[in-house]
Amino acid sequence: DGGITQSPKYLFRKEGQNVTLSCEQNLNHDAMYWYRQDPGQGLRLIYYSQIVNDFQKGDIAEGYSVSREKKESFPLTVTSAQKNPTAFYLCASSITSTPSYEQYFGPGTRLTVT
Amino acid sequence: QKEVEQDPGPLSVPEGAIVSLNCTYSNSAFQYFMWYRQYSRKGPELLMYTYSSGNKEDGRFTAQVDKSSKYISLFIRDSQPSDSATYLCAMNGPGGGADGLTFGKGTHLIIQP
Repeated sequence: DGGITQSPKYLFRKEGQNVTLSCEQNLNHDAMYWYRQDPGQGLRLIYYSQIVNDFQKGDIAEGYSVSREKKESFPLTVTSAQKNPTAFYLCASSITSTPSYEQYFGPGTRLTVT
Repeated sequence: QKEVEQDPGPLSVPEGAIVSLNCTYSNSAFQYFMWYRQYSRKGPELLMYTYSSGNKEDGRFTAQVDKSSKYISLFIRDSQPSDSATYLCAMNGPGGGADGLTFGKGTHLIIQP
C-alpha cells in the first residue's frame, strides 16, 4: 500500500537536545512538507521541498532544519534553538504535475520536550 | 486579517442531520479548495477538492465554492457518529500550491447518537 510513514509516533526529549523526526513516502510524490500543529493554531508550514537536494523555509522555520537527499525521505530536525518544540508534527507530500497540489498526510509525530 | 477563517466550534448536531461547515478567505488568487477530516491524534485525511466555483459531490459529502463571495462550504448528509472529527479547509497558496497550502484552523464536529 502506498502512503506516508512517520516515526516515531511519540517522542520525548529533554530541553537542549536536538531530535530528528522521520518521514518516508512511497507515493512517488515530488513535493514534501513539514507542518506543526498546536491546539487552536491550525497547521503551520515549517519547510517544504519540491525536488531532491532543494528545500525552502516556510512560515515558522526558525529552530528547525531539514534535508532531502532522497525523493522518498524528508527528515526534520528540531534543534535546541526552537523555543517551544512541544507540538504535533505532520509530514505531507503532493504531486507537482497537476495544479491542485492536494497534499496527503502521514499519521504525525507527537513531540514532548521537558 | 487572517487569510482563511473557520469557526472552531464545537458544532454539535444529532445523528442524521445535515451538517454545514464553512470557511471564508481573503486571497482572490486561491483556485483549488480542499477539505480534510482529522480524527483526534491522527493525520488529516483528504476528503475532496474542488477547482474554482461550483459544487462537487462524493457520497454523503458535497463541497461548494463561491469565489465571488470568497466562501466555501462542506455539507454532510445523513451525518453519522463516525463523522465526529475536526474538519479543515485548505486552499492552494499564493504560489499556486507549490509553496504549500493555506489551512483554516478547523471546525470540531460532534455527531450525537
